[in-house]
Amino acid sequence: NAGVTQTPKFQVLKTGQSMTLQCAQDMNHEYMSWYRQDPGMGLRLIHYSVGAGITDQGEVPNGYNVSRSTTEDFPLRLLSAAPSQTSVYFCASSYSTAGPNEQFFGPGTRLTVL
Amino acid sequence: DAKTTQPPSMDCAEGRAANLPCNHSTISGNEYVYWYRQIHSQGPQYIIHGLKNNETNEMASLIITEDRKSSTLILPHATLRDTAVYYCIVRRAYNNNDMRFGAGTRLTVKP
Repeated sequence: NAGVTQTPKFQVLKTGQSMTLQCAQDMNHEYMSWYRQDPGMGLRLIHYSVGAGITDQGEVPNGYNVSRSTTEDFPLRLLSAAPSQTSVYFCASSYSTAGPNEQFFGPGTRLTVL
Repeated sequence: DAKTTQPPSMDCAEGRAANLPCNHSTISGNEYVYWYRQIHSQGPQYIIHGLKNNETNEMASLIITEDRKSSTLILPHATLRDTAVYYCIVRRAYNNNDMRFGAGTRLTVKP
């Protein structure tokens, strides 16, 4: 299993540009989520999904959209990039939302918005 | 969700046990204690979790006090590769959305 994969690893955008961060998992996990991590801080939840076709907002959803058309993929869209969105983005997945279970994290995407 | 308090940094000698404390004095009865770590800038890695009883796996041991208000993560024989930020997280079993990562403890294992 490849686990959780994310592309690209690095990205530089100009203010106002849009882009999609890709996330895929091959473990047939129900639950997927996106976090951002700013320098010296812990992770904050952006959006999450409990299954294909179902998404919801996390702690810091503004400026981001998500969709979950398949179990495997959970892309994160930046609609109009702003310098405040400069961060490292992590995608995570877990088997289900029920019961205690671990989350598996991807390697991250480092985004810089100029 | 219960908040957690961890020391910002700790050092440990290579080969020795690393004991990382976490205070979660407002934990509820249905909340688990989870530990994750983040090595350099990689994605967080799950270590262990527990509810009431002490737990052990191939990576670490988790000791939870009887009143559940604090816990200790033990890395029995720390290596240089264990240098990382360690996060103690309290969340309800059925709610992945409650993964609140604080600043964690930066553990430095020294030769």
